[in-house]
Amino acid sequence: DQQVKQNSPSLSVQEGRISILNCDYTNSMFDYFLWYKKYPAEGPTFLISISSIKDKNEDGRFTVFLNKSAKHLSLHIVPSQPGDSAVYFCAAMHPGGGSQGNLIFGKGTKLSVKP
Amino acid sequence: ETGVTQSPTHLIKTRGQQVTLRCSSQSGHNTVSWYQQALGQGPQFIFQYYREEENGRGNFPPRFSGLQFPNYSSELNVNALELDDSALYLCASSDGRVPGELFFGEGSRLTVL
Repeated sequence: DQQVKQNSPSLSVQEGRISILNCDYTNSMFDYFLWYKKYPAEGPTFLISISSIKDKNEDGRFTVFLNKSAKHLSLHIVPSQPGDSAVYFCAAMHPGGGSQGNLIFGKGTKLSVKP
Repeated sequence: ETGVTQSPTHLIKTRGQQVTLRCSSQSGHNTVSWYQQALGQGPQFIFQYYREEENGRGNFPPRFSGLQFPNYSSELNVNALELDDSALYLCASSDGRVPGELFFGEGSRLTVL
């Protein structure tokens, strides 16, 4: 059973507009969340993260929002650029500590930003 | 600073064979994780090594095994290959400074026929 869900396989946005990528999770024990970006033929790269003690974290054009009561997080990209076109993975750190490399990933959302 | 490198990039095996995939961690990183990414899926955690010891394992059978060497390079071994093992295998290293921040290689694409 999937613990991290990205229900939108794809998203298309016009350049300059906002991109909103959504992610839901089922395990209330998750306390740290991350977004990774993946270009074709490359490995995923870390984008931004958020701890469960926060509800927002911002880094330049990228902002992640966390709604713990709804078990939902979202990634906002403003303004979107053609270079942002990639697959975006939402991930949660496996609870229990000790094994920080143990991330639980969603299936990803392919973002296309059109010029 | 050299990033994470993996070899081979592509390989084809037949069912029942064994395969070894290799990974060279980013300089200064003492932790390596391996992931399996099937087509259309997100990466799935196989296991993690820290200072040559396995310290975390996902839901994979024992025929998936690994090693980490003193120079922090790593191997993933898969015995008795099955068709469902066909996937992209990703290696990631980390230094633990930022929780969950992993540095991934480009992956090894394994096809089992």
